[in-house]
Order: sequence, then C-alpha cells, then structure tokens
Amino acid sequence: RKEVEQDPGPFNVPEGATVAFNCTYSNSASQSFFWYRQDCRKEPKLLMSVYSSGNEDGRFTAQLNRASQYISLLIRDSKLSDSATYLCVVSPNSGGSNYKLTFGKGTLLTVNP
Amino acid sequence: NAGVMQNPRHLVRRRGQEARLRCSPMKGHSHVYWYRQLPEEGLKFMVYLQKENIIDESGMPKERFSAEFPKEGPSILRIQQVVRGDSAAYFCASSPRVEGNTIYFGEGSWLTVV
Repeated sequence: RKEVEQDPGPFNVPEGATVAFNCTYSNSASQSFFWYRQDCRKEPKLLMSVYSSGNEDGRFTAQLNRASQYISLLIRDSKLSDSATYLCVVSPNSGGSNYKLTFGKGTLLTVNP
Repeated sequence: NAGVMQNPRHLVRRRGQEARLRCSPMKGHSHVYWYRQLPEEGLKFMVYLQKENIIDESGMPKERFSAEFPKEGPSILRIQQVVRGDSAAYFCASSPRVEGNTIYFGEGSWLTVV
C-alpha cells in the first residue's frame, strides 16, 4: 500500500462547481497534514495545513479523520485559476521537523469556462 | 526577498555524464532539502543539509548521488554517470530552522537524460 494515496483524477469541472479531493495515508504515526498545489512544471506551494478540527480558508475546506487515516479538500465555487494538481502531504512529525514530507501523486483539476 | 533559487532550470545530459544542480536558499535560511519528482510520481525526500553538514540522507540513492552545502555558495546535488531513470524534476527547499517551519520550494531543475 502506498504511503499516501489520492484520487487518480483527472477532474474536469465547470466554473462555479464544488469539487472534493480525497486522500488516505498508511502511517498511523503521521502527525502533520497538508494540501499543496502544483502548477504544471512548477514547484509545489502550500495551500493549507489540515487539523483534526477541520479548517477553512475562503473557498477551501480541509478535513482530517485520524481514525480512518483520511484527509479531504473541498473547493467551493471553483475558479479557472484553481486549475492545478492538488497534492496530499503528510509528515511524521508534529510541529517541528516538517522537512521529511511524504507526497501523494496528486490529482489534476481542470476548471473549464 | 528572493525565493529559493535553483539552476539550471533545465538540463540535458547524455547517459554516463555528470549532472550538477545548484540551489541557493532563501535569505536567512540555513537548512536545505532536496526532493525528487519522477514522472507521474509524487515528490520524494532525498537529503537534508545544513552548512557543511549532511543531517539526513535517508532518501538518497546509495550510488552516484551526492549532496553538499558548503560554507560559502549554493548547495549542490551531484549525479554521476547519469542513467535514463534519473530523468526527473529535482526540487530544493529551505527553511530558517528545522522546527515548526514551513519549507519553501524552489522552482525545480528538470533533468533529461538522453
């Protein structure tokens, strides 16, 4: 089983749609969780951290279920600029030493006009 | 404040040649990390360095790959006798400290081995 598994995608949605990405991780010792976005042939950029209580940042909502080892990202009212690959990322460390990140393969999202 | 700078952005090497990838961390950052992204794969951690020290090289292939971060100058990821399977994007990241900080990625160096 891969350490971090994501929906294979790709997702093609119209502008304004709501889209959800799912991710599971295998290492129950994982302590920190993130969503990154990566544009084509660019570096990954941190979108948001994910907390057990769930967190929201504008149109983006992230959820974590430690018991199921499951992470999700919901994008509401999608924009053309949301088109990118979304990467689920986990780290074995809490707070500190977040350098040894484990990345999923990513899910490609294309938002169409 | 300039971000993490990597060069070259694109590099083509023939099988058996050497590839050298350079990374200058963000100003004030003394911790550097290298990741590799093979085609259709997620990024994978390779090595963590501080000035003149390799702290964690648990993700480095055992042969042909080496990394350094000298007292002066950029960090270097060196791949000797490249093979087709080394074709990948190599991302460098940096942070001011190792604890409790987001790491910031450079734009990557794309290596193609022909």
